[in-house]
Amino acid sequence: NAGVTQTPKFRVLKTGQSMTLLCAQDMNHEYMYWYRQDPGMGLRLIHYSVGEGTTAKGEVPDGYNVSRLKKQNFLLGLESAAPSQTSVYFCASKMTGGNEQFFGPGTRLTVL
Amino acid sequence: AQSVAQPEDQVNVAEGNPLTVKCTYSVSGNPYLFWYVQYPNRGLQFLLKYITGDNLVKGSYGFEAEFNKSQTSFHLKKPSALVSDSALYFCAVRVLSGANNLFFGTGTRLTVIP
Repeated sequence: NAGVTQTPKFRVLKTGQSMTLLCAQDMNHEYMYWYRQDPGMGLRLIHYSVGEGTTAKGEVPDGYNVSRLKKQNFLLGLESAAPSQTSVYFCASKMTGGNEQFFGPGTRLTVL
Repeated sequence: AQSVAQPEDQVNVAEGNPLTVKCTYSVSGNPYLFWYVQYPNRGLQFLLKYITGDNLVKGSYGFEAEFNKSQTSFHLKKPSALVSDSALYFCAVRVLSGANNLFFGTGTRLTVIP
């Protein structure tokens, strides 16, 4: 039982490049989330999903897209990376009716 | 709208002394409150939560938190700090909407001095 895993762990992009971050969970959770963590700002919600095939915008969705084609996977895409997207990205999951969110180890992204 | 305030960016405490990490909140309705800890280069780990019931909540690693409705606070405490408790601590409130996500404070870095 690996919990929540994220790939890659680190990535450096040039402005305008694209990439996809993968989050996988093996707990059969319905809810999945993408957050970004910036110094002095805590974690902010980018997008979330309440089940396979559904996604919705969070607090800071601009510049990101997501997909939830399989229940266990939640992908975060950057179509044209910008330096403002330099951050640490965390994925989390939660069961329906539960209160605790389980977090992945994070992806550190630098956009030059 | 909800808000969470962690008024101290940094807390230093000597090993063996009691520690407190402060958190105040503002929500509509009954609050669902959480504490998470982040060790260097790691994801967030759940420490404890308050949903309802006793105002003193006990959690992992000897931590506890006291819910105070009149002061809208949820301070994290431990009777005797360990060097290994040094980490970044986040207070959060659950958002009671479609997302049911967590709204986080800005975090408090705890350093326990040997």
